[in-house]
Amino acid sequence: AAGVIQSPRHLIKEKRETATLKCYPIPRHDTVYWYQQGPGQDPQFLISFYEKMQSDKGSIPDRFSAQQFSDYHSELNMSSLELGDSALYFCASSPPLGLAGFTDTQYFGPGTRLTVL
Amino acid sequence: DAKTTQPPSMDCAEGRAANLPCNHSTISGNEYVYWYRQIHSQGPQYIIHGLKNNETNEMASLIITEDRKSSTLILPHATLRDTAVYYCIVNGGSTLGRLYFGRGTQLTVWP
Repeated sequence: AAGVIQSPRHLIKEKRETATLKCYPIPRHDTVYWYQQGPGQDPQFLISFYEKMQSDKGSIPDRFSAQQFSDYHSELNMSSLELGDSALYFCASSPPLGLAGFTDTQYFGPGTRLTVL
Repeated sequence: DAKTTQPPSMDCAEGRAANLPCNHSTISGNEYVYWYRQIHSQGPQYIIHGLKNNETNEMASLIITEDRKSSTLILPHATLRDTAVYYCIVNGGSTLGRLYFGRGTQLTVWP
C-alpha cells in the first residue's frame, strides 16, 4: 500500500539558512499534519492543513511557514535556521472523515532529519 | 497537554504477551483512545484505536475499561521487532486532529 512520502530524507544546513521540506500524502487523503521531534524528545505537533486551508496550529515558530497545494502535497518552509531546529520532522496524512468515521487516524511518513550546523 | 499516563518502561520475553497499560481518567465522552508506536527514529506507526468497545486487529488488541478511564494494549505474541516506544493518545472532540505524544512506554522484547 502507498505510504506518506517525505523528501529529502536528510538535510544539512548552516545557521541562518533556509530549508524546505516536502510531504506527499497517501492518495485520497485530504489532511496533512507536521510534527517536530527533537533529540530525545517526543513528537510535537506543528501545524495541519485540511483541503488546502490551515486547520490547526501548534508550537510552530514564526520563522516557519507551511502550505498545502492543490494536489494535497504540503511544504514546510523554515527560515533563519537555528541550531535548535535540528530535529526529525514528520509528516502525517489522514483520510476524509467520511471514510474513517469520526476519527482521523494519522499515517506517518519516514521523516526528514534536519541538521543545522 | 498530555491526557494519558503510561509507565516509562516495560520488558517482555519473546513469544509472550505484552500488556501495556494506560490511564486516561479525564477522557471525555467523544474522545477515542489511540495507540501508536515508534521504532527508533522511524515515523510513528498506527496500531489501533477504540471508543468504548474492545477492539482487535492483526497487530494488537485494545481493552478499554467500562468507565473508559484506562485501557490496555495487548501484543499477543511479542517479537524482537516489537521493541519500540508505545504511545497511548486520547484524541477527538475539541482537539480533533493534532496528536499529543506524551512520554510513552519503552517496550523491550528480549530473546
